[in-house]
Amino acid sequence: GQSLEQPSEVTAVEGAIVQMNCTYQTSGFYGLSWYQQHDGGAPTFLSYNALDGLEETGRFSSFLSRSDSYGYLLLQELQMKDSASYFCAVSRLSGGSYIPTFGRGTSLIVHP
Amino acid sequence: DSGVTQTPKHLITATGQRVTLRCSPRSGDLSVYWYQQSLDQGLQFLIQYYNGEERAKGNILERFSAQQFPDLHSELNLSSLELGDSALYFCASSGGASGYNEQFFGPGTRLTVL
Repeated sequence: GQSLEQPSEVTAVEGAIVQMNCTYQTSGFYGLSWYQQHDGGAPTFLSYNALDGLEETGRFSSFLSRSDSYGYLLLQELQMKDSASYFCAVSRLSGGSYIPTFGRGTSLIVHP
Repeated sequence: DSGVTQTPKHLITATGQRVTLRCSPRSGDLSVYWYQQSLDQGLQFLIQYYNGEERAKGNILERFSAQQFPDLHSELNLSSLELGDSALYFCASSGGASGYNEQFFGPGTRLTVL
């Protein structure tokens, strides 16, 4: 089977940097994605890592270590609007198809 | 706005009934994915269609079925509804056939089974 672990909640102050971790166990691992979801809204894609290392997109960075089955999402210069749930998702290859599996998500609360 | 549309926005029905949820992907996207999101189960992948054909299957119950039509819109049919089927159902689309591509999610259909 497969599993993903994410902390349930993280709190931080406006302007700070926050890191949200994701550890996974799965066969056929292909890549790790991150999505943001505001309350009542649709998930929106943030980043994707297939190879080890850091991917940067503006204030967001995502890291992957395939050997450690671990990744994280880093948010810099936090803003109030960043308060949301953040999901990591693994793509695994199974029977010729790529199956996405999402973690339970980390709720980020940004305080002024 | 992701460009993915879903109807209806809300649906309230009774146990044992059957409902159909509809999704139109972004213009040009060939893949459609269906997800169920509930408080206790998180976001669960149900099924993917690519250009009219079933491509990948997740935790979809036998009471649920889906299809993708020639115009690429998709429908998710839920039958013999149970209280536990109450959830937010999302459809997402992507350009490629592979599930690791960036997916664009629709606004969701909130299903309440009474």
